[in-house]
Amino acid sequence: QVQVVESGGGVVQPGGSLRLSCAASGFTFRNYGMHWVRQAPGKGLEWVAFIEYDGSNIKYVDSVKGRFAISRDNPKNTLYLQMNSLRPEDTAVYYCATNRDSYRDGKCYSDYWGQGTLVTVSS
Amino acid sequence: QSVLTQPPSVSGAPGQRVTISCTGSSSNIGAGYHVHWYQHLPGTAPKLLIYANTNWPSGVPDRFSGSKSGTSASLAITGLQAEDEADYYCQSYDSSLSAVVFGGGTKVTVL
Repeated sequence: QVQVVESGGGVVQPGGSLRLSCAASGFTFRNYGMHWVRQAPGKGLEWVAFIEYDGSNIKYVDSVKGRFAISRDNPKNTLYLQMNSLRPEDTAVYYCATNRDSYRDGKCYSDYWGQGTLVTVSS
Repeated sequence: QSVLTQPPSVSGAPGQRVTISCTGSSSNIGAGYHVHWYQHLPGTAPKLLIYANTNWPSGVPDRFSGSKSGTSASLAITGLQAEDEADYYCQSYDSSLSAVVFGGGTKVTVL
């Protein structure tokens, strides 16, 4: 069955870096766009980034532009999120999620999600 | 402040019907972009409930239904059950932000 499993979370100081990974299985990873979505403590879901199936289209929420980078390795069935210049407000559970339908046409949604990995930014 | 506005909480007795509203604007729901709904229990993976305004993914009971009109959308839960206690989120796309947007979430309590 479809599985996406996040890893790489942890505690990091403000200004530090962390790289999250998302291992995908049970579907043809190279054919699907992917998202990162986060949930800060006590808050709702917030979309973070999207990458097209072939990496040709990448989008970010404004608050992480210039600090975070989404990428993928299709032969390894793995999605990444490189997070630099981390701030306390980046503290959240980060979810990896599959993309369905067209991002360019604004129809996209996520049909499979991982359990998330916790990132804590604190001194 | 979320781009899509949801009530913080709704409640109902077992067997009742509850609805959750999701209000947007002319740059998202009102522009014709699809609305999708997710159920989320803390500590678990969010689950897709409704996609493209009114459609059910495989395995989702038809007690859950979606609708959309103008700049708003709604999720209805009929025959409320104890297992429906969770947080519910609407999601769409905003053309002025060029970004996926979520509602702030609604906590459903079964009395």
